[in-house]
Amino acid sequence: KNEVEQSPQNLTAQEGEFITINCSYSVGISALHWLQQHPGGGIVSLFMLSSGKKKHGRLIATINIQEKHSSLHITASHPRDSAVYICAVSRPETSGSRLTFGEGTQLTVNP
Amino acid sequence: DTEVTQTPKHLVMGMTNKKSLKCEQHMGHRAMYWYKQKAKKPPELMFVYSYEKLSINESVPSRFSPECPNSSLLNLHLHALQPEDSALYLCASSRKGGDRVYQETQYFGPGTRLLVL
Repeated sequence: KNEVEQSPQNLTAQEGEFITINCSYSVGISALHWLQQHPGGGIVSLFMLSSGKKKHGRLIATINIQEKHSSLHITASHPRDSAVYICAVSRPETSGSRLTFGEGTQLTVNP
Repeated sequence: DTEVTQTPKHLVMGMTNKKSLKCEQHMGHRAMYWYKQKAKKPPELMFVYSYEKLSINESVPSRFSPECPNSSLLNLHLHALQPEDSALYLCASSRKGGDRVYQETQYFGPGTRLLVL
């Protein structure tokens, strides 16, 4: 079993829909990261959180430390949101430089 | 300037060639990283430099040789690569890196897509 698991693996939505991507982890963490990777390859860090909730534009990330679970929500989805979304964790017993990655969720938003 | 740049964007090389990948950042970050990413897989950490010293080598074959000439620049020297080394090579940076840093955002470059023939 992977230490960081994401669901779903693939997600197709219509423009305007509310989207949720889930991430569960089985290890102790110091922070959880949500990353976005477009087809061109570059990765953008969307959020780093260790508790509660963060919001940036149409994106919302939440984390429940007790349940070892995080969600990334996209409101009013748009075709430009189509990308791979990756959940990753920093762990206190390893260097903060190391991230443990989930396998990613491929999101396609159709017009 | 919040950008990590990488050159070249694409590289095709033969198994006997020697080439180098370059990464640059001007955010004053003191940690820089090399990742390898195969298609439809998450990135795999290769090397970390913290304050210009190699702090992590994830048992990478010696045909990959990293170099950090200064705090803004990171190179990856390639020699005698194999076709299975074809991948996207990503560079990233963060403020400090290191063992006592537990929460840091990493800033990624656009990557170099490498094809080894």
